[in-house]
Amino acid sequence: KNEVEQSPQNLTAQEGEFITINCSYSVGISALHWLQQHPGGGIVSLFMLSSGKKKHGRLIATINIQEKHSSLHITASHPRDSAVYICAVSKGSNYKLTFGKGTLLTVNP
Amino acid sequence: EPEVTQTPSHQVTQMGQEVILRCVPISNHLYFYWYRQILGQKVEFLVSFYNNEISEKSEIFDDQFSVERPDGSNFTLKIRSTKLEDSAMYFCASSSRGTGSSEQFFGPGTRLTVL
Repeated sequence: KNEVEQSPQNLTAQEGEFITINCSYSVGISALHWLQQHPGGGIVSLFMLSSGKKKHGRLIATINIQEKHSSLHITASHPRDSAVYICAVSKGSNYKLTFGKGTLLTVNP
Repeated sequence: EPEVTQTPSHQVTQMGQEVILRCVPISNHLYFYWYRQILGQKVEFLVSFYNNEISEKSEIFDDQFSVERPDGSNFTLKIRSTKLEDSAMYFCASSSRGTGSSEQFFGPGTRLTVL
């Protein structure tokens, strides 16, 4: 069983729609990371959170530690938001990130 | 804004050849990582490095792999005798702290193709 599970695997939306991507994990963690990977491969860190909620522009990330669940929301989606969104966790004294498989988001104009 | 850089962006090599992938982490960062992503698969941890030694490595990081920080700026990943299954995107990352709650900054990746 994967330690980090994301859903959905693929998501297609129309421009302007509200997007939600979910992440569940099966182990205790120090922090949960949301990352964005564009075609061409580069990875950009969007959020790192260990509790509560964070907001940056149209992106909002929440985490529920008790339920081992996090969500990434995109408000007023735009075609430029099209990318793979990856959830990853870090735990304890380990420095490494353990990644989910990613969610491919396509926003159509 | 400081960023992690990687060279080359694409490396093509013959099976059995040695390759060295290079990374320049953010200058005041102390913790360095290599990850890889086989096409169509998730990103996987290879190795973490701190204070001139490996702090953790995965099962993937066998004797064919090595890492080095040869000077104050570069961080390299060497694959001694490449195999077809080493074909992947290799990402370097760095962080300022080695705790589990420290943000990691990723380089743009090196696409390694083994023929």
